[in-house]
Amino acid sequence: GENVEQHPSTLSVQEGDSAVIKCTYSDSASNYFPWYKQELGKGPQLIIDIRSNVGEKKDQRIAVTLNKTAKHFSLHITETQPEDSAVYFCAAGGYGNNRLAFGKGNQVVVIP
Amino acid sequence: GAGVSQSPSNKVTEKGKDVELRCDPISGHTALYWYRQSLGQGLEFLIYFQGNSAPDKSGLPSDRFSAERTGGSVSTLTIQRTQQEDSAVYLCASSLVGGGNTGELFFGEGSRLTVL
Repeated sequence: GENVEQHPSTLSVQEGDSAVIKCTYSDSASNYFPWYKQELGKGPQLIIDIRSNVGEKKDQRIAVTLNKTAKHFSLHITETQPEDSAVYFCAAGGYGNNRLAFGKGNQVVVIP
Repeated sequence: GAGVSQSPSNKVTEKGKDVELRCDPISGHTALYWYRQSLGQGLEFLIYFQGNSAPDKSGLPSDRFSAERTGGSVSTLTIQRTQQEDSAVYLCASSLVGGGNTGELFFGEGSRLTVL
């Protein structure tokens, strides 16, 4: 089955700086790559996703890039703000799979 | 707001007892998932329900775990003879259409289970 690796496990950034989280996946058949944000005491919430027919997608301060050849994708957060502090999960899925495979999560701390 | 609702939010139980966790998905969502989140771990898939199809139980860690979805809506996850390693947050999610690449999962806030 699909195996998703996520690193680094924790990331501290100064407010206003950029944060980048990288994920790798194992199944070349995967074609859907979402990112979820989990705030303390809440369930994960989708923030952005990308499908394999594009290499990059942007939504305001967040962007995701995908390299299908290398089987990795990254989340980029620019101009970080304290409310960006959370755990971020990457995931991968594809046709024929019943569910997404999630990474272990990345704790992002934005230092004011 | 008709989000995914889970109960109880917190459950403390003694080793060996049975527990039931409930999930009310978003109305109209045909797909329902249970995931487990242990400390420092990712989201571990447990079970998936899609409409009237047979559920995908491939993620259940042992035969002490079972789940039902009645009437295509509410789901109950049951853990029998709980063990300390069952302590985790159990997350339920629903989506409009099921499958690994068909779009957003809407998660509940989870049920935190502590087994003493």
